[in-house]
Amino acid sequence: GQNIDQPTEMTATEGAIVQINCTYQTSGFNGLFWYQQHAGEAPTFLSYNVLDGLEEKGRFSSFLSRSKGYSYLLLKELQMKDSASYLCAVRDLAGGSYIPTFGRGTSLIVHP
Amino acid sequence: DTAVSQTPKYLVTQMGNDKSIKCEQNLGHDTMYWYKQDSKKFLKIMFSYNNKELIINETVPNRFSPKSPDKAHLNLHINSLELGDSAVYFCASSQPTGLPAGNTEAFFGQGTRLTVV
Repeated sequence: GQNIDQPTEMTATEGAIVQINCTYQTSGFNGLFWYQQHAGEAPTFLSYNVLDGLEEKGRFSSFLSRSKGYSYLLLKELQMKDSASYLCAVRDLAGGSYIPTFGRGTSLIVHP
Repeated sequence: DTAVSQTPKYLVTQMGNDKSIKCEQNLGHDTMYWYKQDSKKFLKIMFSYNNKELIINETVPNRFSPKSPDKAHLNLHINSLELGDSAVYFCASSQPTGLPAGNTEAFFGQGTRLTVV
């Protein structure tokens, strides 16, 4: 299995930039996903990284370093609606399963 | 048009009862999942079905049984419910996870909040 670690909670100010880190340990890394989950709702897909580097999508960017077992999600120009839980999920083929395993999520609180 | 729909949204039942949660997807995906999210928001995989074949079962008690009449449906049946089964259960679907290095993002249903009393 994987050890996926991300901070439990973060706070930031509206309009600012926040970086949410995720570290993982796998034997057969095959992709990393970021999901956003608002309270009482379903997780929704944000980004996918399988090669090293930065993937940018509007205000959100995700970075991956496979050698370091590290990823981050960068949120720019924060809005109040960005207050949510952000889930890092890693796909590891070592166990013969292609199913991504989720971390415990980072609860982001954006205040005025 | 809801991509992944599950019913009911809320389910309150007594210990010892048997209940089912239904899930349907209209995305044409070949793989469907059931996840359990506990009170600490930890999302844990329970089952995955690919073309009606179970491909993973993460040490879930055998009181839980997935049933897939076709690739668009994956229902979850739970026997002899226990207090510890209280959680939010999410159904999801994706393209086949066997695609190497492919983006197989999962689409989630709205969740079923199960409360066992």
